[in-house]
Amino acid sequence: GEDVEQSLFLSVREGDSSVINCTYTDSSSTYLYWYKQEPGAGLQLLTYIFSNMDMKQDQRLTVLLNKKDKHLSLRIADTQTGDSAIYFCAETLSGAGSYQLTFGKGTKLSVIP
Amino acid sequence: DTEVTQTPKHLVMGMTNKKSLKCEQHMGHRAMYWYKQKAKKPPELMFVYSYEKLSINESVPSRFSPECPNSSLLNLHLHALQPEDSALYLCASSPTGRGWEDTQYFGPGTRLTVL
Repeated sequence: GEDVEQSLFLSVREGDSSVINCTYTDSSSTYLYWYKQEPGAGLQLLTYIFSNMDMKQDQRLTVLLNKKDKHLSLRIADTQTGDSAIYFCAETLSGAGSYQLTFGKGTKLSVIP
Repeated sequence: DTEVTQTPKHLVMGMTNKKSLKCEQHMGHRAMYWYKQKAKKPPELMFVYSYEKLSINESVPSRFSPECPNSSLLNLHLHALQPEDSALYLCASSPTGRGWEDTQYFGPGTRLTVL
């Protein structure tokens, strides 16, 4: 099964808050990431959080981590049309002496003007 | 500067062609990665170079051949590809490729179409 799970679609009105959710399964210490991908573009690192933190805020972005439930969320305040994109949650997993990213399937955020 | 550059942006090639994708970073990172991304899917890891040595090859067919000439450059040589290899090829880099805090930064990708 998937190590990282996300809902596939989210639609919000411009100016509202968006909340994108993610669950992960690795119980060891890890870094968790949010990447944004606009159509035809690469992945833009938005923010990340270490698994011993509960919350991280960066301007309009707030990341909440519930380690007990292995639940991660990304809140975008005052969502704008430019926020329309696919958002990937990812966690760092260790293996063979290196650390690799495991991605969720991505949540497509549509912002309605 | 957290920029990873990739060339070309778009590439169309026939199944008998030989072509190369290029990736460059000047952040002093010592790990570089190739990913393949199909439409509406997350990126899939292909290769990892750490300190210019190939550390991970995720069972990628030999028609894809990576090369790391120095710590700033990463190439992906393509030969005898199949139409199903058409995808967005993403390059990424990270400080070391080791350690939990090793954050990856991605380039814009090369959109490859194999006819």
